[in-house]
Amino acid sequence: EDQVTQSPEALRLQEGESSSLNCSYTVSGLRGLFWYRQDPGKGPEFLFTLYSAGEEKEKERLKATLTKKESFLHITAPKPEDSATYLCAVQANDYKLSFGAGTTVTVRA
Amino acid sequence: DAGITQSPRHKVTETGTPVTLRCHQTENHRYMYWYRQDPGHGLRLIHYSYGVKDTDKGEVSDGYSVSRSKTEDFLLTLESATSSQTSVYFCAISVDSGRHNEQFFGPGTRLTVL
Repeated sequence: EDQVTQSPEALRLQEGESSSLNCSYTVSGLRGLFWYRQDPGKGPEFLFTLYSAGEEKEKERLKATLTKKESFLHITAPKPEDSATYLCAVQANDYKLSFGAGTTVTVRA
Repeated sequence: DAGITQSPRHKVTETGTPVTLRCHQTENHRYMYWYRQDPGHGLRLIHYSYGVKDTDKGEVSDGYSVSRSKTEDFLLTLESATSSQTSVYFCAISVDSGRHNEQFFGPGTRLTVL
């Protein structure tokens, strides 16, 4: 059974204080690892897909990296508008995703 | 914007009543999904569809049924709603980019079963 664990559950940052979120996974045959951002009361918004160890993707202040057992989402010099819940999901050899419970990030001005 | 709408956006109902949630997409994607999201559990797959009249169960399918009679519409039905089905329900579509499939989500339906 695919398992995805995200840590920490919650992260409070000062504006400009860089940090990282962790997503550890066990899956048979990783087809892709996905990061989403979710704002309160809204659906998840797609951020990145990673599909092989060593791959990195960047978008503004966010950078996602992938190893064979985990992925990190680095937030560099965050701003209050980066406050959201970040979700990680893995796709095995089918068309279904398994999601972690998410990390809620709060950035204070 | 993946052109996904969900209706209703909010619903309050009573235990034992039937409820149908609708997901509509405008871009003819083959794969559609229904998830529920609860605190501490993340998103869990209820059912999914890989074409008209082709559906399959996810990890939390008990108490739910689905139908897809047209490519653009995917319906989720709770035959007899229970309080444990109080949740936020998200529909998603899958964009097949060959090697992997990004999923894009609708705005959600908040369902309360009293």
